[in-house]
Amino acid sequence: GQNIDQPTEMTATEGAIVQINCTYQTSGFNGLFWYQQHAGEAPTFLSYNVLDGLEEKGRFSSFLSRSKGYSYLLLKELQMKDSASYLCAVKKGGSTLGRLYFGRGTQLTVWP
Amino acid sequence: KAGVTQTPRYLIKTRGQQVTLSCSPISGHRSVSWYQQTPGQGLQFLFEYFSETQRNKGNFPGRFSGRQFSNSRSEMNVSTLELGDSALYLCASSLDSKNYGYTFGSGTRLTVV
Repeated sequence: GQNIDQPTEMTATEGAIVQINCTYQTSGFNGLFWYQQHAGEAPTFLSYNVLDGLEEKGRFSSFLSRSKGYSYLLLKELQMKDSASYLCAVKKGGSTLGRLYFGRGTQLTVWP
Repeated sequence: KAGVTQTPRYLIKTRGQQVTLSCSPISGHRSVSWYQQTPGQGLQFLFEYFSETQRNKGNFPGRFSGRQFSNSRSEMNVSTLELGDSALYLCASSLDSKNYGYTFGSGTRLTVV
């Protein structure tokens, strides 16, 4: 498979900012997704980066550096409802076009 | 606009049995992918279908199979169930996986006893 690494757990307090990192090693890179998954629910789409740089979407931002094989998800003004697992997933081109390679997920706990 | 619908939500089966899970994609979406999610392995790709053809297959034994119908609905089947098959099975649909993102269903929680 692909080497996609992200921290297993993170904690933060309400109102704070947290950065969740994801590193990957893959050939044929064709984009990186971030998903949020609450326990027992479907993963929901947060962001998609295919070019280098920062994509901002409200309280959430995602950054990509293709040369470094690195991405991060930045969550600002944390709320209790942001407690969830955050999944980094890489998309490749070519014969595996329809497949996502997922990291193990980062369990974020937001404390009051 | 209805999301991705998976049925059933929960299932309990005995070792050796077989099971069929169903996924109805978002209307107009032609690509359907299946993933197995376990605490130990995370999300693992099973297979992807597009226009009734399997385009990609993950590293799972032949006991895992799937198909897609002309209306894009998909089913996956697991035969001769093993305890290790206990997992959350997620389906994701996409307009066309080449250029678009994926919307996941809530999954089917399969428990093998």
